This record gives sequence, C-alpha cells and structure tokens, in this order.
Amino acid sequence: LAKTTQPISMDSYEGQEVNITCSHNNIATNDYITWYQQFPSQGPRFIIQGYKTKVTNEVASLFIPADRKSSTLSLPRVSLSDTAVYYCLVGALNAGGTSYGKLTFGQGTILTVHP
Amino acid sequence: KAGVTQTPRYLIKTRGQQVTLSCSPISGHRSVSWYQQTPGQGLQFLFEYFSETQRNKGNFPGRFSGRQFSNSRSEMNVSTLELGDSALYLCASSFPLSGGNTGELFFGEGSRLTVL
Repeated sequence: LAKTTQPISMDSYEGQEVNITCSHNNIATNDYITWYQQFPSQGPRFIIQGYKTKVTNEVASLFIPADRKSSTLSLPRVSLSDTAVYYCLVGALNAGGTSYGKLTFGQGTILTVHP
Repeated sequence: KAGVTQTPRYLIKTRGQQVTLSCSPISGHRSVSWYQQTPGQGLQFLFEYFSETQRNKGNFPGRFSGRQFSNSRSEMNVSTLELGDSALYLCASSFPLSGGNTGELFFGEGSRLTVL
C-alpha cells in the first residue's frame, strides 16, 4: 500500500495561492491520486483526481511529476471558506464495479485561511 | 438527488455493548465503504462492499463487521465496545467504474459514537 505524507498544517491569507504537497514514494503503477476536503462534522468531499502531469478543474489544480512520487494540490486565491482539512488519497481503481482497494488516506493537512 | 445517509448521527454506548450503524448510498451506487475517523489516527479504512460481498478489509479486529443488502444499503456492527472505539464512522458510496468515471467517493456526514 502506498503510504502518504502531508504537512500537518498550513496557514494562508485570503486571496493567496496555496500549494499542499503529498509524498507517496511507493505509489503503484495502477494507483491514482485523489484529494478530498473535509469540514468539521462533515464527510470528506472530492476535489480533484489525477494520474500524471497536470489536472485542472473549476476549484483546483493537481500537479504530478513524472516519477509520481509526490503530488501538489494548488488552490488559487483562497478564501475563509477554504479553511478545512485536505486529504491526499492514493489507491487503485479496480475494474468490476468497485472503487478503490485498501485505501490509504494521509493524515490530512489542516489549512487555515486568515483574513 | 439524495446524498449518502447515515443513521444514527449520534449515539452513546457503554463498554461491552454492541452497536449497529446504517448507511444508505446514493441511488445507483453499488459500492459502499466504511471508515473510522479519530483525532489520533486520522481516517482509517474499515471495509468495502460491492454487490453484497466484502471486497476489502482494513486492519481492524473481528469485533468490527459489516454487511451489504441487495438494495446496496449497508450496516456495520461493532461488538464488545471499547473506549477506543469512540470515533466518527463514515460511510461512502460510489458508482460502478466505467469510462471516464473517477471512482469518486461520496461520503455521508457520519455517525459519531461515544463509548463511556
């Protein structure tokens, strides 16, 4: 199983770009990298997913270098509402209707956005 | 479209008791997985079900069990509760994989269990 390592916490200010890096040195060939956001007393919510290079959607970008041993979630122009815990998840998408195999969530990064 | 529904949202038990938690996935989702979340251990995978079959299991003792019904609803049971079982138990569902599907997990709001 791919073990992930993220910074425990980060601080930022409104309007800044935030980059959160996840290390996953033993990622397997079939593994995808997915990031989730979690607010207190809620379940995590999907942000973005990628396999290699760069992926962008309406809320974030995900950068994955060629060796895939790390990934960086980029949040452009954060606001106070982006204060949350961010999880990096590495796992294989299995065929046959299941989602992931044994899933490995990182410890999560507590992002605090200040006014 | 209704999201993932977990019941009960909060419950208090005493050591030695057992508890059953319920999860109703999003309509059309056939895969359901369960997680335990604690401040010290983070988010840990318990097990995953698809078509009433357990596909994967995390590193938890046999006191933790689950099942899935034909309508994809799932339950998990914890027997002989210990103080350390106090946690937020999260359920997630997902679509069957197909072309272009990310396998995104849709989480419920969780069941918060307190063991006294």
